[in-house]
Amino acid sequence: GENVEQHPSTLSVQEGDSAVIKCTYSDSASNYFPWYKQELGKRPQLIIDIRSNVGEKKDQRIAVTLNKTAKHFSLHITETQPEDSAVYFCVSRAGSYQLTFGKGTKLSVIP
Amino acid sequence: ETGVTQSPTHLIKTRGQQVTLRCSSQSGHNTVSWYQQALGQGPQFIFQYYREEENGRGNFPPRFSGLQFPNYSSELNVNALELDDSALYLCASSLAGGGTNEKLFFGSGTQLSVL
Repeated sequence: GENVEQHPSTLSVQEGDSAVIKCTYSDSASNYFPWYKQELGKRPQLIIDIRSNVGEKKDQRIAVTLNKTAKHFSLHITETQPEDSAVYFCVSRAGSYQLTFGKGTKLSVIP
Repeated sequence: ETGVTQSPTHLIKTRGQQVTLRCSSQSGHNTVSWYQQALGQGPQFIFQYYREEENGRGNFPPRFSGLQFPNYSSELNVNALELDDSALYLCASSLAGGGTNEKLFFGSGTQLSVL
């Protein structure tokens, strides 16, 4: 089955700096890559997603890139703010239904 | 538009018991998926229901079973509870056509503790 590796597991940045989270996936048939943010004690929330026919997507301070050849995808957050502190999960979908989550990156933005 | 709601929020059971968790999908959504999230881990796919039938299953034993009702709400049943079943159980709904899963919207989860 699909395997998603996510790095780093923890990340601390100063407010205003950028944060980058990187993921790799194993199944070349994977075609959909959402990112979820989970604040402490709350539900995971979709923040951005990208499909396999697109190399990059941006939404305000958040951007995702996808390299299908290398099976890499990344999340970039610019001008980080304290409210960006949370656990971020990269996810891949191979097939029509099952989402495979990475183990998560705990991002701490230091004021 | 109502969001995904789950009940109960917390539950304590003993080993060997059975448990039923409930989920109401977001208005307009026809697909429900269930995920298990152990402490410090990412959610793991249990199964998905579409048009009242299971149309996908992860690596979970048969003692994990489910139902979807005509109003698209769903239940997750776990028999013969084991200590390792202690986790946050998340329900997610989506609008799918032909079984293809699109954006998932999660509920707040049920925290299950097995003693």
